[in-house]
Amino acid sequence: QVQLVQSGAELKKPGASVKVSCKASGYTFTNYPIHWVRLAPGQGLEWLGIIYSDDATTTYPQKFQGRVSMTRDTSTSTVYMELSSLRSEDTAVYYCARDPPFGYSRSSYYFDHWGQGTRVTVSS
Amino acid sequence: SYELTQPPSVSVSPGQTARITCSGDALPKQLAYWYQQRPGQAPVLVIYKDNERPSGIPDRFSGSSSGTTVTLTISGVQAEDEADYFCQSSDAYGSYVIFGGGTKLTVL
Repeated sequence: QVQLVQSGAELKKPGASVKVSCKASGYTFTNYPIHWVRLAPGQGLEWLGIIYSDDATTTYPQKFQGRVSMTRDTSTSTVYMELSSLRSEDTAVYYCARDPPFGYSRSSYYFDHWGQGTRVTVSS
Repeated sequence: SYELTQPPSVSVSPGQTARITCSGDALPKQLAYWYQQRPGQAPVLVIYKDNERPSGIPDRFSGSSSGTTVTLTISGVQAEDEADYFCQSSDAYGSYVIFGGGTKLTVL
């Protein structure tokens, strides 16, 4: 069965960086893009971007450009999300989520399977 | 910037029908999706492509679309349906993902 298993909780100081991993199993890794989404306390879901698992192409929303970086390792079927210059507002649970392409499209921009989430706390 | 608007909360008694709306200017051009999120758990896809239901999702969950509004309908609400529900779509060009603010469904 499809599984996305994320790395454990992180506590970071303001200004630091955090790198979260997402290990995929149960499907052909390179056939499905992966997105990252976060849920901050008292807020709604927020999209951080997409990485195409086959060629590592990425797209980030303007809000996070320059601060987020997504990479992948096909040998271990793992995707990474690194967020830099952390501030208190980045305290959130971060999720990776699989995108099921449809037809000839490389992505559908929705999420059929999610990781369990990684809590990132930014505090001095 | 483009937004999706949901009511913050909806309350229904068990067995009644809950309707959660989501409004956005690009919805006539882009497909909508709905996720259920229980506290401390990852979101779960309950409706995709406006009105399709993934395998394993009870048939009491349905979706519809009309103009700039999409609606998630839960018929015969059960206590286990109490959760936050988020709608999701794309901007008019399909280049980025947008979520609604979420609706807390309370089962009285």
